[in-house]
Amino acid sequence: EAEVAQSPRYKITEKSQAVAFWCDPISGHATLYWYRQILGQGPELLVQFQDESVVDDSQLPKDRFSAERLKGVDSTLKIQPAELGDSAMYLCASSYAGGSYGYTFGSGTRLTVV
Amino acid sequence: SQQGEEDPQALSIQEGENATMNCSYKTSINNLQWYRQNSGRGLVHLILIRSNEREKHSGRLRVTLDTSKKSSSLLITASRAADTASYFCATGPIQGAQKLVFGQGTRLTINP
Repeated sequence: EAEVAQSPRYKITEKSQAVAFWCDPISGHATLYWYRQILGQGPELLVQFQDESVVDDSQLPKDRFSAERLKGVDSTLKIQPAELGDSAMYLCASSYAGGSYGYTFGSGTRLTVV
Repeated sequence: SQQGEEDPQALSIQEGENATMNCSYKTSINNLQWYRQNSGRGLVHLILIRSNEREKHSGRLRVTLDTSKKSSSLLITASRAADTASYFCATGPIQGAQKLVFGQGTRLTINP
């Protein structure tokens, strides 16, 4: 069964350092999403791509977060500089037909900022 | 911002019993979806119900949707220890970018 690949699985970084996460969606899924999930809460959307274009980044803290999907396939989410409050699970998901049939999530990257 | 609210926040039952979780939401939707998340893992899509549907089944899962009350329920019948997980409802809005907005989740524990 096709999967959404994410790496790394775990990341520990010091405050003020830069960190990057990578996501490879299911082949053929034009829509890609990055969600952030704080422990004990539901996921919150950070950014949504349609092919290589950003559709929604209204909740992305743009002073420190950036996301790109240059060729409309895999994507990178970067945080610079990392803050203690960024500790969370970062989930990537992809969908076919704008999500009308559900999303497929990757296993996530657990970020701990110390 | 969270759209859906799950109730209860936590549920603990014995194996073999049925588990019911509820979700309420605020704005009009195109569809409502339920996801399962095992501890420390990604979310797994369980079932999608469209706004013009009232009930849907998938194996031991039964989902209902009442758009007049802006609420949905997920029933898991004959629960198993492997059903222990967090369950989230997510709503797909009618207008705007087709992004899912998740609730806070229900933590389900099945006791052997």
